[in-house]
Amino acid sequence: DIQMTQSPSTLSASVGDRVTITCRASQSISSWLAWYQQKPGKAPKLLIYKASSLESGVPSRFSGSGSGTEFTLTISSLQPDDFATYYCQQYHSYWTFGQGTKVEIK
Amino acid sequence: EVQLVESGGGLVQPGGSLRLSCAASGFTFTSYSMNWVRQAPGKGLEWVSYISSSSSNIYYADSVKGRFTISRDNAKNSLYVQMNSLRAEDTAVYYCARGNGDYPSFFDYWGQGTLVTVSS
Repeated sequence: DIQMTQSPSTLSASVGDRVTITCRASQSISSWLAWYQQKPGKAPKLLIYKASSLESGVPSRFSGSGSGTEFTLTISSLQPDDFATYYCQQYHSYWTFGQGTKVEIK
Repeated sequence: EVQLVESGGGLVQPGGSLRLSCAASGFTFTSYSMNWVRQAPGKGLEWVSYISSSSSNIYYADSVKGRFTISRDNAKNSLYVQMNSLRAEDTAVYYCARGNGDYPSFFDYWGQGTLVTVSS
């Protein structure tokens, strides 16, 4: 089974900050990686797929990069609506999610 | 507009059974794979099961294999999961999620979830 490890687990940041979340796979997954945003009591929302492709309607301040085993999600300028939990997901071999990164207000 | 609406959750005793449903609308259901994903209270996301567009391929997470059965009725635009021999650790919000194409696929639309509580 492919394990996904996100870091950090919690991140405290201010509006306007540049934020980076890292996701590591236990083996190569090529670019078969997605990122989701989840707010309390809501379903996850797709942000990025195939490591770096922005889902339609998602603000351009979100970007993804990486391939193989190391990936990043970057928010270029954090907005009030971005405080949420973020999950990476591999879909190379079945599906596995990272444990999540909670982005909190500093 | 794509809509996925889950139903069927509730309180069930350990060892009991429950059947969840997901009603799909706003897209051609027969063209997409579907999944169940769950989230235990205060925890992360866990993929549970996958079914291809034609039901020809079905996969399960090890944690539910042999106890859960996924199915779909393309004529009714509906997805199901039959959950048997339920355990306390199956307590979670269960989401249905659309796969973007067949395998491998990310999940581009999610329902609002239905809560399953396994407790005596």
